[in-house]
Amino acid sequence: NAGVTQTPKFRILKIGQSMTLQCTQDMNHNYMYWYRQDPGMGLKLIYYSVGAGITDKGEVPNGYNVSRSTTEDFPLRLELAAPSQTSVYFCAGAGGPVYEQYFGPGTRLTVT
Amino acid sequence: AQTVTQSQPEMSVQEAETVTLSCTYDTSESDYYLFWYKQPPSRQMILVIRQEAYKQQNATENRFSVNFQKAAKSFSLKISDSQLGDAAMYFCAYRGIQGAQKLVFGQGTRLTINP
Repeated sequence: NAGVTQTPKFRILKIGQSMTLQCTQDMNHNYMYWYRQDPGMGLKLIYYSVGAGITDKGEVPNGYNVSRSTTEDFPLRLELAAPSQTSVYFCAGAGGPVYEQYFGPGTRLTVT
Repeated sequence: AQTVTQSQPEMSVQEAETVTLSCTYDTSESDYYLFWYKQPPSRQMILVIRQEAYKQQNATENRFSVNFQKAAKSFSLKISDSQLGDAAMYFCAYRGIQGAQKLVFGQGTRLTINP
């Protein structure tokens, strides 16, 4: 039981490139989330999903897209990377009676 | 919209002493959850403690306890017998009970433990 896994752990992108951050959970959680954490700040919600085929915007969705074709996977797509997207990205899954959120280890992304 | 405020960017405490981290929040909801998360240098987000707003009793987890003041919208974390391994960023977070169970985080408090 690996919980929530994220790949890659680190990535450097050039301005204008695109990439997909992968997130997989093996806890059968319906709810999944993507957050970003800028230096010295708390986490801000980018996108979330309450089940396969259902996604919605969070607080800071601009420049990102998501999909949820299966319960397990919730990839985050960056198109036309910008320096403002330099951040640490966390994926989380939630389930159980109190919808406890379990976080992945994070992906550190630098856009130069 | 709900907001969470942590007014102490940094705190320090001597090993074995007690420290209290402050958190205030704003909401119009009557029922909700509050959390404290720990983020060590490994950057993994670790749940420290959870409080349900409908429970008057303050939550405790070993050396960690909270002081939940619902009317004042205050939710502080007390760490007793501080240990070197407690050094980390601590985040206060709010979550409503309806809808998508989204977390709203404060800005964080960096806790240093002095040996």
